[in-house]
Amino acid sequence: KNQVEQSPQSLIILEGKNCTLQCNYTVSPFSNLRWYKQDTGRGPVSLTIMTFSENTKSNGRYTATLDADTKQSSLHITASQLSDSASYICVVTPRRGTYKYIFGTGTRLKVLA
Amino acid sequence: EAQVTQNPRYLITVTGKKLTVTCSQNMNHEYMSWYRQDPGLGLRQIYYSMNVEVTDKGDVPEGYKVSRKEKRNFPLILESPSPNQTSLYFCASRLQPSETYEQYFGPGTRLTVT
Repeated sequence: KNQVEQSPQSLIILEGKNCTLQCNYTVSPFSNLRWYKQDTGRGPVSLTIMTFSENTKSNGRYTATLDADTKQSSLHITASQLSDSASYICVVTPRRGTYKYIFGTGTRLKVLA
Repeated sequence: EAQVTQNPRYLITVTGKKLTVTCSQNMNHEYMSWYRQDPGLGLRQIYYSMNVEVTDKGDVPEGYKVSRKEKRNFPLILESPSPNQTSLYFCASRLQPSETYEQYFGPGTRLTVT
């Protein structure tokens, strides 16, 4: 079982609509939780980073939330645009000293005109 | 421009023919890492380097070699490629080994082994 699981695997929405992507993790204790955006055929690019003590972090139309008690995070995209079509990857880093990033398998989002 | 570069971006080769994928960063980062990405799986770490001449195995190191003779370069070597190494490969770097630092990814190398 993956330590970082994301849902849904894929999602199709219309331009202008909002959507929420989910990330459940079992990594404990953890240092940070990140969300990355990966365009097709490109490397992942960081969207947000939260420490275990933060509840929310925004980056423009992207808002990430974290509930450390239930070990869940979500990424909310507001007023989606065609350029939001990409894979979104949740990444959890264990507590200091392990040097590792643990990647989820991603949610593939398609925004249609 | 601060970046991680990889070459080549696309490569088709045959089983057993040695190849090298280069990775270079211009940010003076100490930590560098190689990942592979396969459909339905998250990025998996192949090898990492915490500084010059210091390398260590990641989660899936079999069939790969690396070297870190200079701070900016971290090539990935496949001595005898096999079809199960067909994948999308990413090099990444960050300022320090600590996972609290942001990691920057290269554009990827799509490798096909026939």
